[in-house]
Amino acid sequence: DTGVSQDPRHKITKRGQNVTFRCDPISEHNRLYWYRQTLGQGPEFLTYFQNEAQLEKSRLLSDRFSAERPKGSFSTLEIQRTEQGDSAMYLCASSPRLAGGPRTGELFFGEGSRLTVL
Amino acid sequence: AQSVTQLGSHVSVSEGALVLLRCNYSSSVPPYLFWYVQYPNQGLQLLLKYTTGATLVKGINGFEAEFKKSETSFHLTKPSAHMSDAAEYFCAVSEGTGGFKTIFGAGTRLFVKA
Repeated sequence: DTGVSQDPRHKITKRGQNVTFRCDPISEHNRLYWYRQTLGQGPEFLTYFQNEAQLEKSRLLSDRFSAERPKGSFSTLEIQRTEQGDSAMYLCASSPRLAGGPRTGELFFGEGSRLTVL
Repeated sequence: AQSVTQLGSHVSVSEGALVLLRCNYSSSVPPYLFWYVQYPNQGLQLLLKYTTGATLVKGINGFEAEFKKSETSFHLTKPSAHMSDAAEYFCAVSEGTGGFKTIFGAGTRLFVKA
């Protein structure tokens, strides 16, 4: 079990540029979540996938944000035309499918991708 | 809609003293409740969780929390603080069925004084 990995860990970009973050979940986990965390705040839900299907998107996710999980494994989060307000830590988490019984909802987090927009 | 309120953005205790971090939640369905911890430059990791059954749940590193439905609370405690407990703690709630979108509180930073 190698854990959830995110890349890059840090990204500095100029306003108006596009950025893309990648998340590789724990291999047997079928659900994948994206959260955003700003200083002094808890993680804010952005979107989640079950396998390759995007099941829910937050209203926080403007049309400049797009997330994909094309083969139900890794996921990408792209931000187009970045703004200074996009500066934050972008967190990815995954959760397992259990063999029978209800899900417990436990999330396994990566270390995050920190975005700084100048 | 679900929500979480953590009372106190910062809590400071002396080493060996009781740790009490407060969390109140709102949920229209029976909730699943969680406490996560975040150490500097690390990802969030699960401390403990309540799903169903026993309302007093024990987690890692000597932490425990009690689900009190009548008070809509899920406070986190530890009898004796250790310097290594200094971190940010997040309370979270998700629906017991369905989407499992997890909503987090704003966090409480715990300081432990020698």
